[in-house]
Amino acid sequence: ETGVTQTPRHLVMGMTNKKSLKCEQHLGHNAMYWYKQSAKKPLELMFVYNFKEQTENNSVPSRFSPECPNSSHLFLHLHTLQPEDSALYLCASSQETGRGNEQFFGPGTRLTVL
Amino acid sequence: AQRVTQPEKLLSVFKGAPVELKCNYSYSGSPELFWYVQYSRQRLQLLLRHISRESIKGFTADLNKGETSFHLKKPFAQEEDSAMYYCALRGNNAGNMLTFGGGTRLMVKP
Repeated sequence: ETGVTQTPRHLVMGMTNKKSLKCEQHLGHNAMYWYKQSAKKPLELMFVYNFKEQTENNSVPSRFSPECPNSSHLFLHLHTLQPEDSALYLCASSQETGRGNEQFFGPGTRLTVL
Repeated sequence: AQRVTQPEKLLSVFKGAPVELKCNYSYSGSPELFWYVQYSRQRLQLLLRHISRESIKGFTADLNKGETSFHLKKPFAQEEDSAMYYCALRGNNAGNMLTFGGGTRLMVKP
């Protein structure tokens, strides 16, 4: 599959569960991003990775733990989440960070925390 | 701090009517402005950016630094333009942080 893929597309979890979201990009990009899209708030940047190194953490709670083993894969590990963490989590990638680099988005994972 | 405001959550127009989706921003430096679109059951995708000065699918947007606005316009709306539209800003700070507005849902009625 081309572009940016995300699995699973839907996830329901309890507050005590541990789960992971996966993102994979087939574009040869070096930068990857996690965004959160809530019903009542604008799309929010969570993390940025450039060449596998985390370059931005937008004050995200520690119950969200990102991992970037290589430039093509990005994970978001979830543990002891709260119901207010229910949202659409979008992954994106770009050639590099910085101005002029278009970000390409995945379809998102719809997360529901019970 | 950078901020993007889209004052209208919903904009409904008839086919063939002009459409303008408003976007205002707050940023002290020299911003890079974008419009993203999300059609039903499709992923978020870039529609246009101000530095390209291009027209995509009949849409244009002009950066007005005096009014700190980047409104999206199309002279004749089509039904297939119905979608969620997000205005986004990237500053000239380190990294590639995009700040998004809350989005405007455009409905084009036949």
